[in-house]
Amino acid sequence: DVKVTQSSRYLVKRTGEKVFLECVQDMDHENMFWYRQDPGLGLRLIYFSYDVKMKEKGDIPEGYSVSREKKERFSLILESASTNQTSMYLCASSLGGGAFFGQGTRLTVV
Amino acid sequence: QKEVEQNSGPLSVPEGAIASLNCTYSDRVSQSFFWYRQYSGKSPELIMSIYSNGDKEDGRFTAQLNKASQYVSLLIRDSQPSDSATYLCAVIYSGYSTLTFGKGTMLLVSP
Repeated sequence: DVKVTQSSRYLVKRTGEKVFLECVQDMDHENMFWYRQDPGLGLRLIYFSYDVKMKEKGDIPEGYSVSREKKERFSLILESASTNQTSMYLCASSLGGGAFFGQGTRLTVV
Repeated sequence: QKEVEQNSGPLSVPEGAIASLNCTYSDRVSQSFFWYRQYSGKSPELIMSIYSNGDKEDGRFTAQLNKASQYVSLLIRDSQPSDSATYLCAVIYSGYSTLTFGKGTMLLVSP
């Protein structure tokens, strides 16, 4: 079974903090993704990566950056957290078809 | 424009009935379609994928694809209360490599 693991289930951070969300997958998938999910807005793609050190902007990249130094690890960085970044963050990986999701990180920015 | 449309629901069915969930998308050349199940407070779980016209069955689940009409559906036979969840339709549009998700349909199965 594919396992995608996110470092935290719940996080509370202060406005202006730099926030790191970590994601690790154990299936040697090339593709990794970061989504956020908000009520009424569905799943929205923030960034994705096809390979180590490669990154592509998704639909809502503003205020975020990513890092992929190793194939199995994909990090999402909130450069300066704001209250409108309070959300559920979901990491996923795939070989090119359906993606497999981690358990999600519920981030609250106060 | 990449869009995936789903009725938000809730769709209410009694236990043992067939639940029918539908999804439309916005081009005729896309090749890859997926259904996810998401329980409240949990992450989406991939339950079905379909790539060619027709039906694909897996246990109590059947995915149906009609590319000419640009819709994909999910049938759940013998619905159980444990099937109560939000079902997300996702498409990989031609020329793209990422999933575009619908906003999901909430299914409620009553005992």
